[in-house]
Amino acid sequence: DAGVTQSPTHLIKTRGQQVTLRCSPISGHKSVSWYQQVLGQGPQFIFQYYEKEERGRGNFPDRFSARQFPNYSSELNVNALLLGDSALYLCASSTRASGTDTQYFGPGTRLTVL
Amino acid sequence: QKEVEQDPGPLSVPEGAIVSLNCTYSNSAFQYFMWYRQYSRKGPELLMYTYSSGNKEDGRFTAQVDKSSKYISLFIRDSQPSDSATYLCAMSGTTTDSWGKLQFGAGTQVVVTP
Repeated sequence: DAGVTQSPTHLIKTRGQQVTLRCSPISGHKSVSWYQQVLGQGPQFIFQYYEKEERGRGNFPDRFSARQFPNYSSELNVNALLLGDSALYLCASSTRASGTDTQYFGPGTRLTVL
Repeated sequence: QKEVEQDPGPLSVPEGAIVSLNCTYSNSAFQYFMWYRQYSRKGPELLMYTYSSGNKEDGRFTAQVDKSSKYISLFIRDSQPSDSATYLCAMSGTTTDSWGKLQFGAGTQVVVTP
C-alpha cells in the first residue's frame, strides 16, 4: 500500500515569493496534518484538517494557510517567504483527527529560501 | 520552557549495546506518547505508541511511560548500525483542541558503531 506522498521533494524560492506544497494521504485516511521541521529541531505543528475542515492550528503567522480537498489530499501555502521559512515540511495522515489515531508521515518537502 | 524536553545527543554506543532514550514533559494533559525514528533527510517513522502509563514491548524496542514523573523512555536492545538515526519523542492530549496536535521533542541522534 502506498504511504503518504508529498510533492515536490525539493524546492528553492527567494524571499517574498509564494509556495504551494502538496500531500496525498494514505488511502482511507481522512485527516491530514502539516508540520515544519527546522534543521536540528523536532517537527512543529502547523495545521490539521479533517473532512475538509480545519481542526487545529499551531502558532504560525497568517502567511501560512492550507486546505483539504474532497479526495482528502491537502495543500499548504506559504506567502511572502522569509529566510526562516527554510525547513522540511512534513505531512502526516491519520484515519480521524482524534488522539487515538496514529499519524503516519510522508517523506517531506525540503524548502530552501534564498 | 519547552513542553517536551529531549537531549539532542549525539549518543554513541557499540553494536549490541542497549540504547536508552528519554524525554520529560510539563503538560499533565498529555495522554498519548509516541516514539518516531527519523533517518537523515527522511520523514519520521512511527516505532512505538503508548496510551497513558505503563510499558509496551515490540521486538527489540521497549517503551515506558511514567506519568507521575512526566517521563518517558525508549530502550533498544541488541542495537545494530542500522539503528543509527534520530529518535523523536512525541505526545498529545485528549482535549478536542489538542487532538492530532503532536508535540515533539528536539530528537536524540543515535550512532551505533560496528
